[in-house]
Amino acid sequence: GAGVSQSPSNKVTEKGKDVELRCDPISGHTALYWYRQSLGQGLEFLIYFQGNSAPDKSGLPSDRFSAERTGGSVSTLTIQRTQQEDSAVYLCASSLEWSSYNEQFFGPGTRLTVL
Amino acid sequence: AQSVTQLGSHVSVSEGALVLLRCNYSSSVPPYLFWYVQYPNQGLQLLLKYTTGATLVKGINGFEAEFKKSETSFHLTKPSAHMSDAAEYFCAVTTNSGNTPLVFGKGTRLSVIA
Repeated sequence: GAGVSQSPSNKVTEKGKDVELRCDPISGHTALYWYRQSLGQGLEFLIYFQGNSAPDKSGLPSDRFSAERTGGSVSTLTIQRTQQEDSAVYLCASSLEWSSYNEQFFGPGTRLTVL
Repeated sequence: AQSVTQLGSHVSVSEGALVLLRCNYSSSVPPYLFWYVQYPNQGLQLLLKYTTGATLVKGINGFEAEFKKSETSFHLTKPSAHMSDAAEYFCAVTTNSGNTPLVFGKGTRLSVIA
């Protein structure tokens, strides 16, 4: 079956603009995760969803970041008033359910460049 | 809180040589440990994981890792490097207590020289 897909694959935007990043998880996976990968910084956990609910939003870097998930499937990460420090690769992952030992399947990421 | 330290941001080995990528973790409770690999312009793929039981874990592509509690380590090894092993490798830790997300190390880029 299809893996995790993300769109767009690349996004270039101007400082101050809003962007939306989309994630389509593997069908049937109830848990969905967003990470940010900056050069030389590894992966930074942003937020996870169990179903449509996000129990912990404390990983989001600022109040300019928000995420939602509808219908227990597609998720959108929105960054408002983008800043240059938001430039990074945003990775989405899904797993069968929320559990520490469940394998997370990653999408290819969206590379965001803020000019 | 958990943390991961990967020693060496870049490791270079000759084709056929031993691969050793180091990972040390910090956790106040028993950890679950993972190694992921990322090929260029791709997402991360699980290589292997340790949760409980046998401390020597075998993964895909001939990789294995050993959980050593006394050393708080989970080093990744492969006896003989192949050109296709060139990629970025990430060690990650979580726990079985509650809603704890994966905490990743900063990654080690492996280069394989012909």
